[in-house]
Amino acid sequence: DQQVKQNSPSLSVQEGRISILNCDYTNSMFDYFLWYKKYPAEGPTFLISISSIKDKNEDGRFTVFLNKSAKHLSLHIVPSQPGDSAVYFCAASGFRSGNTGKLIFGQGTTLQVKP
Amino acid sequence: EPEVTQTPSHQVTQMGQEVILRCVPISNHLYFYWYRQILGQKVEFLVSFYNNEISEKSEIFDDQFSVERPDGSNFTLKIRSTKLEDSAMYFCASSDGSFADTQYFGPGTRLTVL
Repeated sequence: DQQVKQNSPSLSVQEGRISILNCDYTNSMFDYFLWYKKYPAEGPTFLISISSIKDKNEDGRFTVFLNKSAKHLSLHIVPSQPGDSAVYFCAASGFRSGNTGKLIFGQGTTLQVKP
Repeated sequence: EPEVTQTPSHQVTQMGQEVILRCVPISNHLYFYWYRQILGQKVEFLVSFYNNEISEKSEIFDDQFSVERPDGSNFTLKIRSTKLEDSAMYFCASSDGSFADTQYFGPGTRLTVL
């Protein structure tokens, strides 16, 4: 049951350049999407989210874009910094669709930012 | 900044033994969750808890699992008779249930079943 997919297991970018992480979903009942960052042996740390009523949300260096017709979202990090190196998880929920707020996670993308 | 805490950080147990994983959610949060991540796999939902009862559970959350909020601050996950395949990182999360339904995760408990 792969309702949320991150098809790129890894991404490597140079410091200062843009990192683009992608995520696809299949369930049209999802109405809230989140990105989490995870370091080894730590819990997921919330980064940024977007509601299905928007197509863009920006917070500092992080911007999330949502394309509902394509069921696709992306996380842009610009400029990328070596400290951004981590595993990034896309997650989705359908809280206002009768769901209880459980998050469905993608498989994660390991980002490496090279100095 | 408020954070979710979990204890212990690592638990080693023998197959068939009971374990209790503990979590202290953020104090004003109302919704509580347990997730797990088996090594190399994605983070999976186990159970959600609201108003002192389970609101949803996954197929993983069978009769061997239970959750409890024994007081106003702790939230526990009990596995009655552990199996080898229960070895995983277990994450507790909480949210305030507002429109911005963001869940905040604890650092996790690594459970190793021998």
